[in-house]
Amino acid sequence: KQEVTQIPAALSVPEGENLVLNCSFTDSAIYNLQWFRQDPGKGLTSLLLIQSSQREQTSGRLNASLDKSSGRSTLYIAASQPGDSATYLCAVSPNAGNMLTFGGGTRLMVKP
Amino acid sequence: DTAVSQTPKYLVTQMGNDKSIKCEQNLGHDTMYWYKQDSKKFLKIMFSYNNKELIINETVPNRFSPKSPDKAHLNLHINSLELGDSAVYFCASSRKGYGGYTFGSGTRLTVV
Repeated sequence: KQEVTQIPAALSVPEGENLVLNCSFTDSAIYNLQWFRQDPGKGLTSLLLIQSSQREQTSGRLNASLDKSSGRSTLYIAASQPGDSATYLCAVSPNAGNMLTFGGGTRLMVKP
Repeated sequence: DTAVSQTPKYLVTQMGNDKSIKCEQNLGHDTMYWYKQDSKKFLKIMFSYNNKELIINETVPNRFSPKSPDKAHLNLHINSLELGDSAVYFCASSRKGYGGYTFGSGTRLTVV
């Protein structure tokens, strides 16, 4: 059974810092890994999708890496801003069109 | 223009009632899902459905049933509601072969 863990559970940083969020999964037989953002009381917004054959994906100030063999992914946020404050969720899929297994999330607070 | 839309956004009901949550996607995706986010913010899959196959998470009580009138809709019916059913329910969809997911904004169900 796949298990996804995210560390840290919560993180508070001053504005402008670069930061790294960690995600680990127990079964390396994944199809893809996806990072989401969830704002309080809102739905999930997809940030980055990494296919199992890829090593990383970038979008603006966000960079996600995937080391499938070791069961790890990191989300790097450069030059953090207060608007980045949200919960970041990592999820893996065993194959296309199948069900996601989520981590518990990292609650990020970026202070002005 | 909303890609995945759920109604209602909020639902307050008494124990023992039967209720439905509707979900529609206009992305042309072929697979739809229901996820439950509990009070600890942990997201868990409930159902995965395309026009060929329904996959049910074995932990979901049989009081919960998905109904799909067509490829663009997946409604969630809940019978004999219990206090423990209170949660936020998210609908999602994905395209086979790509695996990227789009989530709705959620339905907050409160059972009193």
